[in-house]
Amino acid sequence: EAEVAQSPRYKITEKSQAVAFWCDPISGHATLYWYRQILGQGPELLVQFQDESVVDDSQLPKDRFSAERLKGVDSTLKIQPAELGDSAMYLCASSLSGRRGETQYFGPGTRLLVL
Amino acid sequence: AQTVTQSQPEMSVQEAETVTLSCTYDTSENNYYLFWYKQPPSRQMILVIRQEAYKQQNATENRFSVNFQKAAKSFSLKISDSQLGDTAMYFCAFTETSNTGKLIFGQGTTLQVKP
Repeated sequence: EAEVAQSPRYKITEKSQAVAFWCDPISGHATLYWYRQILGQGPELLVQFQDESVVDDSQLPKDRFSAERLKGVDSTLKIQPAELGDSAMYLCASSLSGRRGETQYFGPGTRLLVL
Repeated sequence: AQTVTQSQPEMSVQEAETVTLSCTYDTSENNYYLFWYKQPPSRQMILVIRQEAYKQQNATENRFSVNFQKAAKSFSLKISDSQLGDTAMYFCAFTETSNTGKLIFGQGTTLQVKP
């Protein structure tokens, strides 16, 4: 069964360092989502791609976060510089076309700890 | 703003018994989608069940069923014949106003099934 892949699974970094997370969605899925999940809370959307275009980045802290999906397939989320408050689980999800009501398939996530 | 509220941070149930998880939401829309997602410990989030608001009939998936009360903006999940593998965090989610498929999640309910 096809799955969303993410790496690394865990990342420990120091404050002010740069970090990057990678996501490979299910093959053929046009829509890719990056969510941030703070411990004990529900995920919150950071950015959504439709193919290679950003369709929603309203909650992305653009002064330090960036995301790209250059060829409309895999995606990278970067934080520079990392802050203590960025410690969280970063989840990637994909869906076939991004229509409302469509199932989103989630990856295992990258757990980030900023020291 | 559209919000999703899960008022039960933690619940427990004995194996083989039935448990109901609560969810309320706030929206001014008439047509939308509601979801329950399950996040097992250290595993990826998966869709449990989906409900379209314009459908009167409550959705069911094997041992999982919902009680959708549109007027009350309530969307509870009932798990029958609870199994140890049902131990997980459960998130209620709602589609946002736009057509991007963005999900808004509740805070989650941690469910423990006891042997």
